[in-house]
Amino acid sequence: AQSVTQLDSHVSVSEGTPVLLRCNYSSSYSPSLFWYVQHPNKGLQLLLKYTSAATLVKGINGFEAEFKKSETSFHLTKPSAHMSDAAEYFCVVSPPYGGATNKLIFGTGTLLAVQP
Amino acid sequence: GAVVSQHPSWVICKSGTSVKIECRSLDFQATTMFWYRQFPKQSLMLMATSNEGSKATYEQGVEKDKFLINHASLTLSTLTVTSAHPEDSSFYICSALSPGRTEAFFGQGTRLTVV
Repeated sequence: AQSVTQLDSHVSVSEGTPVLLRCNYSSSYSPSLFWYVQHPNKGLQLLLKYTSAATLVKGINGFEAEFKKSETSFHLTKPSAHMSDAAEYFCVVSPPYGGATNKLIFGTGTLLAVQP
Repeated sequence: GAVVSQHPSWVICKSGTSVKIECRSLDFQATTMFWYRQFPKQSLMLMATSNEGSKATYEQGVEKDKFLINHASLTLSTLTVTSAHPEDSSFYICSALSPGRTEAFFGQGTRLTVV
């Protein structure tokens, strides 16, 4: 069985300061991991994905995440927050590509607020 | 590439009526699409998996007669909320798997309000 836990429901940072959104996963096999961003009343946009290649994954808008198997973590970071980064962020786990269901398991989301 | 379009973006309907939401893959063929429901300030809940040319697979607790899913072509899946009630008001999002890609692509969502 797979699951994903986002440790913080809300994170608030000041513009220009680093962002850290935490995610831990549980999987009985090597998973694929994703971070999606959702702006209010919008669909989801893929920020980055890990699919068993490089453990440090770089995504769009300056975000990156590091897959740490020993810690079962996939935390999302950005060196310097921008006001436009304010949104809901979802950590997502799925079976490896070609898995039985390709179902995505969503974390509960982290709402990022960026203060001026 | 890999664009998923959902229509309408928002809809208001009266209790007892039915509402159809469309999910289209614009530049790829999607044999599998997914329908999610999202309550305010909550995560996405998978409702069903839509397979082209066959019946949808519903998650436990989702009423298949209430939420009719049709995936008649490789680029279109529809979700019909039948006999809608205020408690069906929610944000509905579809996603599609693009062949050869490892991530799902999401539509922009449909805000349904039942009055």
